[in-house]
Order: sequence, then structure tokens, then C-alpha cells
Amino acid sequence: SQTIHQWPATLVQPVGSPLSLECTVEGTSNPNLYWYRQAAGRGLQLLFYSVGIGQISSEVPQNLSASRPQDRQFILSSKKLLLSDSGFYLCAGGRRDSYNYGYTFGSGTRLTVV
Amino acid sequence: GENVEQHPSTLSVQEGDSAVIKCTYSDSASNYFPWYKQELGKRPQLIIDIRSNVGEKKDQRIAVTLNKTAKHFSLHITETQPEDSAVYFCAASLTGNQFYFGTGTSLTVIP
Repeated sequence: SQTIHQWPATLVQPVGSPLSLECTVEGTSNPNLYWYRQAAGRGLQLLFYSVGIGQISSEVPQNLSASRPQDRQFILSSKKLLLSDSGFYLCAGGRRDSYNYGYTFGSGTRLTVV
Repeated sequence: GENVEQHPSTLSVQEGDSAVIKCTYSDSASNYFPWYKQELGKRPQLIIDIRSNVGEKKDQRIAVTLNKTAKHFSLHITETQPEDSAVYFCAASLTGNQFYFGTGTSLTVIP
């Protein structure tokens, strides 16, 4: 079965500092990978998705970026954090070769920008 | 892209009563509709899903119905229990490559 590993679990960063969140996948090869942000009390906003190494699609223009250097690694980055970047960030993976798709979420990173 | 709307945003029910959450989607090509449950501070977990070639699916106290013509689908929870309290998200997907989520429903089951 597919497992999504995500870290760190919590992060407090000052405004203007850089960000790097990492997500790795275990148990599946060639997955679709996604980054979502969930603001407090709000829904899941799709930020980026990737169908393969080096292939990134952005859903929402912002000061965040994503990279996929390896098949099972997905990284969310920012050069300069804004207060509005605070939220709960979730990585998710989908099995494209599975009839059931099997969308699985990581445990999330709670980012507070101060 | 796809647009998924979810109602209500909050729902309170007495223990033992039923709860219904409704979602609509805009892209008639969407063919996979999962429901996720997110407990406070935790990751969303898949609880049930349905494909466009099926009108209804049940799993114990949980059921999902799909009306392709009207482009809406619903989650039904019967005999609710306090542990059903959580935020529930619906989603729509075409081929499983992208998932578009509703804004969530915060369900509270009152003992």
C-alpha cells in the first residue's frame, strides 16, 4: 500500500524567510503527487501537482514553488514567506495505475509565519 | 477546471440521527467522487467513493449517491455516533489525475 511521508510536522518561520517542505512516497512507483494548503477552518486548496519527475503544474499563482527531483520526492518551497502563507500543508499521492486511484494524504505540516 | 461546491458548511445532529452532506460539480466529464473524513489536526482519510457508472454505494452506516444528470452527489451517515464528528470533504476527479475538493462540512454529533 502507498504511504506518504511528510515533514516537519510543525514549523514556525519569520516573514521573509525561505521554506522547504519535503514529501516522499513509499510503496508506489510513478505516482501522481499533489500539494494542498488548508487555511484554518477552510477547505483544501490545490497548489501544485506532478505526474512525473520534473513535471509540475501550478493551480494557484503565488510565491510558492514545487519541484520533483525524484520519482517519489516532492518538495514545496518559497524564497520569501508571507504571513498569508500560514496554514496546514498536505502532500497527497495517487496511484495512476490503480482502478481505485487510492488518493492518500501525508500527515501534514502546520506552518505558522510570524 | 472543475468546481466543486459543498453544503452545508456546518451540521449538527443528535446522536442516532442521520446526516446528509451534498456536493455539486461542474465538469460533466468527472467520473470519480471520493469522500474524505478529517479529524481535528489529522490528515484526511478516504471513507467511501463512487464512480460515475454507479448510482449508489453503501458501506455499513455510510452511503453515497450520485446523480450524473444533475451533477450532484451526497454522503449519507445513518445512526450517527460521536466519533463521526469531523470535517468531511467531497471531491471530484477525472481519471484520478487531479482531485478537486469541496470546502468541507464540519459535522458535530451531539451525545
